[in-house]
Amino acid sequence: QQPVQSPQAVILREGEDAVINCSSSKALYSVHWYRQKHGEAPVFLMILLKGGEQKGHEKISASFNEKKQQSSLYLTASQLSYSGTYFCGTGGSNYKLTFGKGTLLTVNP
Amino acid sequence: GEEVAQTPKHLVRGEGQKAKLYCAPIKGHSYVFWYQQVLKNEFKFLISFQNENVFDETGMPKERFSAKCLPNSPCSLEIQATKLEDSAVYFCASSQRVWWNTEAFFGQGTRLTVV
Repeated sequence: QQPVQSPQAVILREGEDAVINCSSSKALYSVHWYRQKHGEAPVFLMILLKGGEQKGHEKISASFNEKKQQSSLYLTASQLSYSGTYFCGTGGSNYKLTFGKGTLLTVNP
Repeated sequence: GEEVAQTPKHLVRGEGQKAKLYCAPIKGHSYVFWYQQVLKNEFKFLISFQNENVFDETGMPKERFSAKCLPNSPCSLEIQATKLEDSAVYFCASSQRVWWNTEAFFGQGTRLTVV
């Protein structure tokens, strides 16, 4: 089942912070975060595993609430290069990564 | 190689024609995945492989889509008798270990346009 992302879109000024949320109705083993710029491939940002392990990006942090099947991606002091569509992907017992519909982030000067 | 290589970058086919897409995973990666991304940016899972074995094919429209990952060859995704609705960007990704536990690296995609 597809995870639900919110918000659908967000516009920031450079230096502002943003939070993108991802929730699932199913029990999760992992949550993945990717960023895709227009016309490009998705790029891995972060993976959060059941049990608390995290692997990912230096300047981006995320949380994973296993009980609520929710994850949040925190973008602090945003830069112009952060613009793009952010996707969360959830991994469950079916060993399939299912992506949300994406959150379009626009960072303006 | 150090990146997932997909060919061709663009493919145009007339409705009813065959389309074949290729993907060379990163060397040493055991898992390969195909996703279809349509205009609204949604990713639809198609199929995954563990080496040359199909791991999960629940997303494949089996009547027209087929895929293979053979030893020492790029993986392929073939669409027989393409339809207008097959127009999309097809992404291949590979990962070193099982998908849900590790990062995946995506190729640049193949944009298929069916006219």
